[in-house]
Amino acid sequence: QVQLVQSGAEVKKPGASVKVSCKASGYTFTSYYMHWVRQAPGQGLEWMGIINPGGGGTSYARKFQGRVTMTRDTSTSTVYMDLISLRSEDTAVYYCAREQLLHAFDMWGQGTMVTVSS
Amino acid sequence: EIVLTQSPGTLSLSPGERATLSCRASQIVSSSYLAWYQQKPGQAPRLLIYGASSRATGIPDRFSGSGSGTDFTLTISRLEPEDFAVYYCQQYGSSPMYTFGQGTMLEIK
Repeated sequence: QVQLVQSGAEVKKPGASVKVSCKASGYTFTSYYMHWVRQAPGQGLEWMGIINPGGGGTSYARKFQGRVTMTRDTSTSTVYMDLISLRSEDTAVYYCAREQLLHAFDMWGQGTMVTVSS
Repeated sequence: EIVLTQSPGTLSLSPGERATLSCRASQIVSSSYLAWYQQKPGQAPRLLIYGASSRATGIPDRFSGSGSGTDFTLTISRLEPEDFAVYYCQQYGSSPMYTFGQGTMLEIK
């Protein structure tokens, strides 16, 4: 079955960086764009960016440009989200999500909690 | 950037009642690119509706979506206990740019 399995929770200090992984299975990895969406505690959903697993092309939300990098490894069907210069406001659950038809997200990873605290 | 505003912020209803959730956009949104999600505590969001009115795979037919332009609606015809959750609308615009509404919490009255 289609699955997105993310890496485990992280605790980081301000100024550090974090890399979250998302391993896809059950479908052709390169056929669907992948996104990263985050959710701060008690807050709504915030789109961070998109990666094309086929060609590797990316586009990031303006808010995260310069701080986020999304990459992929086609040999392991895994996408990665790297966020640098972490601050307390980056404390959130980070989700990967697969884009289906008409730019909707039909499959989501289980989420990765990233806590930024001194 | 298109801003999506959902109303009400919280909706209190009883099982068996009808729920109507609104999503209003600051600019015209293509109906093809408006989606709705359900999120329960501690879980990832689940796609309910895409293309403004098409149900995702496995979604019961008590969920329906409608609307066009700047006004969109998610309707749950008869609430089941498992429907009490937070609901988000989401749109796609050029650039690319994806935005979510702030959410509507549907709670048991």
